[in-house]
Amino acid sequence: AQSVTQLDSHVSVSEGTPVLLRCNYSSSYSPSLFWYVQHPNKGLQLLLKYTSAATLVKGINGFEAEFKKSETSFHLTKPSAHMSDAAEYFCVVSVGSGGYQKVTFGTGTKLQVIP
Amino acid sequence: AAGVIQSPRHLIKEKRETATLKCYPIPRHDTVYWYQQGPGQDPQFLISFYEKMQSDKGSIPDRFSAQQFSDYHSELNMSSLELGDSALYFCASSLRGGVTQRQSTGELFFGEGSRLTVL
Repeated sequence: AQSVTQLDSHVSVSEGTPVLLRCNYSSSYSPSLFWYVQHPNKGLQLLLKYTSAATLVKGINGFEAEFKKSETSFHLTKPSAHMSDAAEYFCVVSVGSGGYQKVTFGTGTKLQVIP
Repeated sequence: AAGVIQSPRHLIKEKRETATLKCYPIPRHDTVYWYQQGPGQDPQFLISFYEKMQSDKGSIPDRFSAQQFSDYHSELNMSSLELGDSALYFCASSLRGGVTQRQSTGELFFGEGSRLTVL
């Protein structure tokens, strides 16, 4: 069994300040972890992924996330928020079983960026 | 690079009508997933296919059916449409892998979605 918890449904930051979106997961097996971003009325775009290589993962648009097994966390960060970062962010866990990937979405975090 | 293609992008139907959504995965991807995202909701898994066989089933209503064809494209058929079926329907594809699991990173590649509005 696996699950994903995004601890904040809404996060509001000022432009130019750091962003922290929190994600905790549980999984019986070694997971792959992803962050996807969804802008209004758009599809899901992959920001970054962790697949058992380096624990600090760098993604697009200046985002990065650190996989911490001891804390079962995969928080998303960015040093300086930009207005274009306003969107909804989904943390996703994927676990392979017999070749099939079981994918579970978090409930999403809406990021608001204040000018 | 080729991405996941979904059609139509927008569809308006009346209650009790039927609708068909199509998904063309990334070339050489062998697994297709369907998700439904209602207004303000996170994506809910409906169903997935691997090599033309259903591989997993989520919260797909009995009024819906889906299949994957020999060219790996998939279609989601929805009948007796209800107002609550209005949503963004995403298709995603992935490479499940060949002989070993290691060939698959588990990453899903999503299409832009098909927005269904039921009036």
